[in-house]
Amino acid sequence: GQQLNQSPQSMFIQEGEDVSMNCTSSSIFNTWLWYKQDPGEGPVLLIALYKAGELTSNGRLTAQFGITRKDSFLNISASIPSDVGIYFCAGRSGTNAGKSTFGDGTTLTVKP
Amino acid sequence: NAGVTQTPKFQVLKTGQSMTLQCAQDMNHEYMSWYRQDPGMGLRLIHYSVGAGITDQGEVPNGYNVSRSTTEDFPLRLLSAAPSQTSVYFCASSNRDTEAFFGQGTRLTVV
Repeated sequence: GQQLNQSPQSMFIQEGEDVSMNCTSSSIFNTWLWYKQDPGEGPVLLIALYKAGELTSNGRLTAQFGITRKDSFLNISASIPSDVGIYFCAGRSGTNAGKSTFGDGTTLTVKP
Repeated sequence: NAGVTQTPKFQVLKTGQSMTLQCAQDMNHEYMSWYRQDPGMGLRLIHYSVGAGITDQGEVPNGYNVSRSTTEDFPLRLLSAAPSQTSVYFCASSNRDTEAFFGQGTRLTVV
């Protein structure tokens, strides 16, 4: 089946630093998604990307849909302690939003 | 508006027992899905539904059954629990215009 490689697996950064994480796929996707999961909670959508080359921001978060349609990255600028959590990329090739393939996640720790 | 509600939040089963994980959504979404999340891994799709009366298998369907008799509910049944089914289970709902909303999860331990 489709596989996503998400990196890095974990990051330890100082408050105020910028963060970058990415996902690559063996297949072409027509949608890329970035979710954040807090402990004991379900994932929450941060950014959705629907077009190759698209660059979208949500506050301090910026994500891009790779031009090859096989990759995406997420940047977080000026990190703060509440950015701590697990960030997942997800992709899909169809229109059913409930049928996405998820990466293994990037665990972010922010030191005050 | 509660969103996606999963019950129970925690459950311990003995090997061989059966149980049903409940999922309900109040957003009138067409699509509903069940994922499992194992430590250090992303979510893997178990089963999904594109509408009442329609279900299909995802990536890891073995050992699980689903049905969708109403738009609101999408229960997941474990027929004979095994330790390999110890995991956190997430239900999600969506429609053509929205991405998936997830419930808070059910943490299942099979001993």
